[in-house]
Amino acid sequence: QIQLVESGGGVAQPGRSLRLSCEASGFSFATKGMHWVRQAPGKGLEWVAVISYDGSGKYYADSVKGRFTISRDNSKNTLYLQMDSLRSEDTAVYYCAKWGLAVSLDFWGQGTLVTVSS
Amino acid sequence: SSELTQDPVVSVALGQTVRITCQGDSLRGYYASWYQQKPGQAPVLVLHGKDNRPSGIPDRFSGSSSGNTASLTITGAQADDEADYYCNSRDSSTNQWVFGGGTKLTVL
Repeated sequence: QIQLVESGGGVAQPGRSLRLSCEASGFSFATKGMHWVRQAPGKGLEWVAVISYDGSGKYYADSVKGRFTISRDNSKNTLYLQMDSLRSEDTAVYYCAKWGLAVSLDFWGQGTLVTVSS
Repeated sequence: SSELTQDPVVSVALGQTVRITCQGDSLRGYYASWYQQKPGQAPVLVLHGKDNRPSGIPDRFSGSSSGNTASLTITGAQADDEADYYCNSRDSSTNQWVFGGGTKLTVL
């Protein structure tokens, strides 16, 4: 069965960096685009970034453009999110999700919590 | 950037039919996808494309679309359907995905 397992969350001070990982299994990772989506405490879902199956295409939400970098290592079946210049408003649960048909995100991990606080 | 608008709160009596709507310009280019999220859990895809349910999603969930509005209909709502529901789409001009603000569904 398809599994997505996020890791790397924790507490970071404003202005510092964190790198999230998402290990995928149960499908052909190297043939599928992947997303990061976040959810601030008590708030709705916010799309963060997408990467194409081969890493050649990357797009970001305006709120993270220039600070976050999405990448992948298909040899390790792993997706990454490098988060630099963190702000308090980046505090959220971060989910990785598999790009399904059309615009859908058809499988999601359980999420990893990032808290940005001094 | 593109936006999707949902009613924040909707309620339905047990066994009745409820429609949850999603409005936005990006829906003129793409069908919405819909997600169900229960407290403390990750979202689950319940509908995608014109009206397609992933495996395991009950057939009481259906979708429709017209112009800039997409709808998720639950026919014969069950207590287990009480959850937050989100729509999403894609802005073709920026290649950014977008989520609606979510609808909290209460089953009375």
